[in-house]
Amino acid sequence: RKEVEQDPGPFNVPEGATVAFNCTYSNSASQSFFWYRQDCRKEPKLLMSVYSSGNEDGRFTAQLNRASQYISLLIRDSKLSDSATYLCVVNFGSGTYKYIFGTGTRLKVLA
Amino acid sequence: DTAVSQTPKYLVTQMGNDKSIKCEQNLGHDTMYWYKQDSKKFLKIMFSYNNKELIINETVPNRFSPKSPDKAHLNLHINSLELGDSAVYFCASSQDRVLSGNTIYFGEGSWLTVV
Repeated sequence: RKEVEQDPGPFNVPEGATVAFNCTYSNSASQSFFWYRQDCRKEPKLLMSVYSSGNEDGRFTAQLNRASQYISLLIRDSKLSDSATYLCVVNFGSGTYKYIFGTGTRLKVLA
Repeated sequence: DTAVSQTPKYLVTQMGNDKSIKCEQNLGHDTMYWYKQDSKKFLKIMFSYNNKELIINETVPNRFSPKSPDKAHLNLHINSLELGDSAVYFCASSQDRVLSGNTIYFGEGSWLTVV
């Protein structure tokens, strides 16, 4: 099993749609979770951290399910500008510096 | 006032050459990283330094040698370049330990093409 797994997509959705991505991780001792966004030919940038109780930032909602070892990202009211690759990031193990990135899920929002 | 800056941004070189990529961060962070993103877009950690000390060294060929003269700089030197080294190399930094859930900040990437 890969350390961090994501569906590569692409997810093609119309503007205004709601779309959700999941990401599974293999190490139950992982402590920190994030969603990053990467635009074409750009560096990854933090979209949001994922907290145990779930958290929301505008149209974006992140959830953590420790029992099933996955995190999710929900995007409501999709905009054209949301088109990007969304990377799931997990720290590998407890108390380590090792951030493991998923392969990313590509989202295309269509007009 | 770029937070994490790396040079060069583009590098085309022949097989067998030796090249270096430089990275500097002005965020005052303690930890710096080198990541490699290959043609399949998979972002994989190569090295990590904390206060100039090597703390992560993944399964990377010995031809790759990081150097951290101070905690604000982490350079990557690559000897005897091979075609398979073609990738985007991202430098990154974070404040401190992952326990704090610290954000990683990336440089813009260095596009290396080996011909």
